[in-house]
Amino acid sequence: DAMVIQNPRYQVTQFGKPVTLSCSQTLNHNVMYWYQQKSSQAPKLLFHYYDKDFNNEADTPDNFQSRRPNTSFCFLDIRSPGLGDAAMYLCATSRAGFNTGELFFGEGSRLTVL
Amino acid sequence: GQQLNQSPQSMFIQEGEDVSMNCTSSSIFNTWLWYKQDPGEGPVLLIALYKAGELTSNGRLTAQFGITRKDSFLNISASIPSDVGIYFCAGQPPVRDDKIIFGKGTRLHILP
Repeated sequence: DAMVIQNPRYQVTQFGKPVTLSCSQTLNHNVMYWYQQKSSQAPKLLFHYYDKDFNNEADTPDNFQSRRPNTSFCFLDIRSPGLGDAAMYLCATSRAGFNTGELFFGEGSRLTVL
Repeated sequence: GQQLNQSPQSMFIQEGEDVSMNCTSSSIFNTWLWYKQDPGEGPVLLIALYKAGELTSNGRLTAQFGITRKDSFLNISASIPSDVGIYFCAGQPPVRDDKIIFGKGTRLHILP
């Protein structure tokens, strides 16, 4: 059974039209991450939550926001998608303080911007 | 910031051949990890290494945590078609801020 579930798997949006991607987990992990991955590149960390504490990467554009209403769910909001935001968005979880570095990834949400 | 140099960038091998890839850094890491990503899917953890010199196997996969803590390798024996994908090394820096660093990946192609 999938432990980190992302929806939708595929999202098509128009330039500038807001998008929300969701992630849910059944692992009860306290850390949740959002990564952006472009073709043939390594995943790039956008931000992460340690419990309710939000940690933004310095180079993450303001266009990207996140919400974590509870332990199980996390959302990625792209306020005004540009063509350069077309990518695979990966959600991941981990148990902080225990085997840190072992990430459990979802299957990803592929965003297309027209 | 810390970087991981992963090589080779891509490999073309015949089915049944053994595969070797590695990751190096100028900085030390506390944990080395190897992930595999199938096309259109999220990465999956293959092996995690926690001690310098540690050698760990997972089926046909073997990985080692370099004694200097600055490198790791992954070997795949007797490759099969489902081994196709991108292999990422990743390292956990000594400062435990819950962020790991990824290498740029090794894309494995298997020729029939």
